[in-house]
Amino acid sequence: AQTVTQSQPEMSVQEAETVTLSCTYDTSESDYYLFWYKQPPSRQMILVIRQEAYKQQNATENRFSVNFQKAAKSFSLKISDSQLGDAAMYFCAYRRSDDMRFGAGTRLTVKP
Amino acid sequence: DTEVTQTPKHLVMGMTNKKSLKCEQHMGHRAMYWYKQKAKKPPELMFVYSYEKLSINESVPSRFSPECPNSSLLNLHLHALQPEDSALYLCASSQETEETQYFGPGTRLLVL
Repeated sequence: AQTVTQSQPEMSVQEAETVTLSCTYDTSESDYYLFWYKQPPSRQMILVIRQEAYKQQNATENRFSVNFQKAAKSFSLKISDSQLGDAAMYFCAYRRSDDMRFGAGTRLTVKP
Repeated sequence: DTEVTQTPKHLVMGMTNKKSLKCEQHMGHRAMYWYKQKAKKPPELMFVYSYEKLSINESVPSRFSPECPNSSLLNLHLHALQPEDSALYLCASSQETEETQYFGPGTRLLVL
C-alpha cells in the first residue's frame, strides 16, 4: 500500500518569510500524481499545487512551489512571502488511478 | 468554475434516523468521491464513482449507502449510524479518476 508521511505536525512562519513543508511517500509505481491541499478552519479542501511524476520540472503556482525528488520519494512545498491567509492545515496527497492517499497533515501558523 | 456543493452544511441525527447527504457538481466531471474526515485527521476515502458506476468501496459499513443518480449528483444515504460515525463528510469530483480532485465544503455530521 502506498503511504504518505508528513513528519511536521506543526510549523510556524513569520509573515512575509518563507517556509517549507515536508512530505515523503512510498510507492513502487512510476506514474502517479502528487498534490498539496490546504484546509483552512472553514474546512474546505483547496488545491494548492499538483505535480505529475513523469515531469522533471518542479511545479510552481505563484508563491507556492514544490521540490520534487522522485528517486528520494520526496515532495516538499515551499511557501514564499507567507501571508496571514496561508494559515491552515496542509495535506500532501498521492494519487494513482482511483487510489488517493493523504498524509497526516501539517498545521501552519503565520505570525504577524 | 471549480465548484462542488454539498448539502446540508450541518446535520444532527439519532441512531435510528435515516438521512441523506447530497453533493452536486456542474463541471462535467465523470468521477465523484465520498470521504470521511475525523477531527485533526486526513480525509479517508469511502467510495468512488466513475461514469456513474461504483468502482471503489473501501470496506465501508453497510449503514452508509452511496448513490449516483446522474453524472452531476452524488448522494450518501445514512441509516442506523453510530456515534463514532460523527465526522466531516467531504465530497469531491474530478474529470477522470486520474485527474485533480476538487472538494466541496463538507457536511458536518453529529450522531447522537
